[in-house]
Amino acid sequence: DAKTTQPPSMDCAEGRAANLPCNHSTISGNEYVYWYRQIHSQGPQYIIHGLKNNETNEMASLIITEDRKSSTLILPHATLRDTAVYYCIVKGFGNEKLTFGTGTRLTIIP
Amino acid sequence: DARVTQTPRHKVTEMGQEVTMRCQPILGHNTVFWYRQTMMQGLELLAYFRNRAPLDDSGMPKDRFSAEMPDATLATLKIQPSEPRDSAVYFCASGTGQQNTGELFFGEGSRLTVL
Repeated sequence: DAKTTQPPSMDCAEGRAANLPCNHSTISGNEYVYWYRQIHSQGPQYIIHGLKNNETNEMASLIITEDRKSSTLILPHATLRDTAVYYCIVKGFGNEKLTFGTGTRLTIIP
Repeated sequence: DARVTQTPRHKVTEMGQEVTMRCQPILGHNTVFWYRQTMMQGLELLAYFRNRAPLDDSGMPKDRFSAEMPDATLATLKIQPSEPRDSAVYFCASGTGQQNTGELFFGEGSRLTVL
């Protein structure tokens, strides 16, 4: 699976959109981009995933660049409960394993 | 609300003791994963099962760790003998095995402290 690069930490004001970037320049054609988050002392939680089209669900939006070398997770109206470590993971179709990197520690500031 | 259940949530033991952690995957899920999380190493995959068969345990120290699925509703991770370096949070996750979703559901974890 392709390697991902994320900033180690970010801050965002409560109520604003949080935009978390992820670089995956070596991604191949059949690899998906997944986002999980881990709130303190809890297990990781699935957020969203995509292949090449932008995706949106009740939690977030995922924007993948046309060349698929990077993506951005958007939390449209961040709340204090969104404070967590966010993991961007690239996973090949058919590969059931998730390999976690170090993620981005997002802090929502009141 | 379906969820992955792990027991015990917390365990303190002495070096050399046997430790068994249990996981009840979500009913109907056919893949089960064991992860370990430490400050230094982050989240590491130890082992995973599909339809109760072990598919990959390359991340697990073979001499002291063992993982099994006695039936579809129970996965176990055993450490014997335990060592202080095994202190970590151990997470179990389950999934449907569907290739195009890949969503895993994680339990709350078992926090192990080996003195």
